[in-house]
Amino acid sequence: EAGVAQSPRYKIIEKRQSVAFWCNPISGHATLYWYQQILGQGPKLLIQFQNNGVVDDSQLPKDRFSAERLKGVDSTLKIQPAKLEDSAVYLCASSLAIPGTEAFFGQGTRLTVV
Amino acid sequence: AQTVTQSQPEMSVQEAETVTLSCTYDTSESDYYLFWYKQPPSRQMILVIRQEAYKQQNATENRFSVNFQKAAKSFSLKISDSQLGDAAMYFCAYRVGGGATNKLIFGTGTLLAVQP
Repeated sequence: EAGVAQSPRYKIIEKRQSVAFWCNPISGHATLYWYQQILGQGPKLLIQFQNNGVVDDSQLPKDRFSAERLKGVDSTLKIQPAKLEDSAVYLCASSLAIPGTEAFFGQGTRLTVV
Repeated sequence: AQTVTQSQPEMSVQEAETVTLSCTYDTSESDYYLFWYKQPPSRQMILVIRQEAYKQQNATENRFSVNFQKAAKSFSLKISDSQLGDAAMYFCAYRVGGGATNKLIFGTGTLLAVQP
């Protein structure tokens, strides 16, 4: 079974530039999460999708971050414009829409904003 | 609001010894799930063990077991016969059961070092 795919693995941009991350979840997984993990901290949930609808985006900085999940499969997370404090690893995870089921994670994208 | 607290930023254990990682959580829900995830330097988060809140029996997966104290809202992870490959960041996580808003909330993590 293929896992959660993320790209790119690494990205370096200058502040005020824009960047986009891509995630392809495991086939059949209705729930998709984007997390931000700053070095030395636990993952912070940015946005959660159920199919192509947003379930929770309470911690997404909506003035600069946006995310979409077209057709309930692939998802993209965009930052525009980036700030220095956005430097982090961005993790994508997916799971079945069944309570208590395991969330599977991708390898993440390490973003460095200079 | 649901929160997950890991009070041990770092732990160290000798190879073949046993170590316990602590986790407490706060919730008003009665139906929820608890998880321990491992994140090695490669960054990919891997599930170690899962506990359903409605089950009194503590979950066990080979060398990994939990001590789930529901009344105390405590969920510790015990690693027996520690191996060098167990060295990683360990995250405790909480997920409410049922409904669409089953978001997965993580603690701040415990970095485990295994000494040969």
